[in-house]
Amino acid sequence: DIQMTQSPSSLSASVGDRVTITCRASQGIRNDLGWYQQKPGKAPKRLMYATSSLQSGVPSRFSGSGSGTEFTLTISSLQPEDFATYYCLQHNSYPLTFGGGTKVEIK
Amino acid sequence: EVQLVESGGGLVQPGRSLRLSCAASGFTFDDYAMHWVRQAPGKGLEWVSGISWNSGSIGYADSVKGRFTISRDNAKNSLYLQMNSLRAEDTALFYCVKDTSAYMRIGGFDIWGQGTMVTVSS
Repeated sequence: DIQMTQSPSSLSASVGDRVTITCRASQGIRNDLGWYQQKPGKAPKRLMYATSSLQSGVPSRFSGSGSGTEFTLTISSLQPEDFATYYCLQHNSYPLTFGGGTKVEIK
Repeated sequence: EVQLVESGGGLVQPGRSLRLSCAASGFTFDDYAMHWVRQAPGKGLEWVSGISWNSGSIGYADSVKGRFTISRDNAKNSLYLQMNSLRAEDTALFYCVKDTSAYMRIGGFDIWGQGTMVTVSS
């Protein structure tokens, strides 16, 4: 199974800060990775697909990069509505696996 | 509007069975693979199972293999999850999720339902 190690597990940041979240795969997954945002009591929402493609309707302050085993999600200027938990998902191999999540909190 | 509505959750005793259903609308159901993803209270997301558009390809997480069975009825725009031999650790919110491709392992997930809660307890 491919393990997705996501870091950090939580972070505190201020509005306007640049935030970077990392997912490391235990083996190469090409660019078969997506990022999801989940707010309390809500279903997850896709932000990025194929590592660096922005989902329609998602603000351009979100960006993704990486390939192979190392991937990042960057929020260029954190906004109040961005405080949430973020997950990566690899869909290269069975079983599909999520990272453990990163909770982004207000400093 | 694309919509996924789960049903069938509830309180069940350990060792018993439960069948979840997901009604899809707003898109051509048989053009896409579908999945079940669960989230235990206060925990992260776990992929449970997935099925290709024509049921020709099916996958399961190791934690549910041999106990859960995924199926779909394209004529009814519905996805199912038969859960047998339920355990306390299966307690979770179960989401029905649409893939972006007819086959799994290509595009990932785009649309999620609101989930149905399964509680396994005596």
